[in-house]
Amino acid sequence: QQPVQSPQAVILREGEDAVINCSSSKALYSVHWYRQKHGEAPIFLMILLKGGEQKGHDKISASFNEKKQQSSLYLTASQLSYSGTYFCGTSSGAGSYQLTFGKGTKLSVIP
Amino acid sequence: DAGVIQSPRHEVTEMGQEVTLRCKPISGHDYLFWYRQTMMRGLELLIYFNNNVPIDDSGMPEDRFSAKMPNASFSTLKIQPSEPRDSAVYFCASSLNYEQYFGPGTRLTVT
Repeated sequence: QQPVQSPQAVILREGEDAVINCSSSKALYSVHWYRQKHGEAPIFLMILLKGGEQKGHDKISASFNEKKQQSSLYLTASQLSYSGTYFCGTSSGAGSYQLTFGKGTKLSVIP
Repeated sequence: DAGVIQSPRHEVTEMGQEVTLRCKPISGHDYLFWYRQTMMRGLELLIYFNNNVPIDDSGMPEDRFSAKMPNASFSTLKIQPSEPRDSAVYFCASSLNYEQYFGPGTRLTVT
């Protein structure tokens, strides 16, 4: 079952914040976040494992609530370089490398 | 490291022809994944290998698709015969510890 991402698209001005959500109808073990720029390969951002931990680097962080089967990606003080499509990929088993990706959230940061 | 290498980067072929896509994973990575990306269906996992052994090929759409990994540094995805609906970007990714590193992709167009 493909996870559902929301919103589908968002436009921000530089410096604004955004939240991208990812929810699944299945119990999750891990959530992975990737960013893809047009015409390029997806780039790994971070992984969150079962345990409800929150992670982050620079001004991008994420949380994982396995009880709600949801994850959120937080982008603060957005920069032009944050533009792209963000995907969440989910796995349901410990040790499982098999990911099911959402359809993506297109983020556009404008000056 | 050079990252995941895929060839060719672009392939245009006629319906009915055989197509072979190639992938060289990052050295030392023990997992290799083949994905297909389209606007309609997003990023779909086709098959993945662990230590050169296919683990799950349930995402392979039809018998026309086959994948091999003869050694740790090379994998192929073959489509025979190709059809227009196979047109997509095909990504190869490799992984060591859950993080998946994607290659630049092969854009396949079947006319």
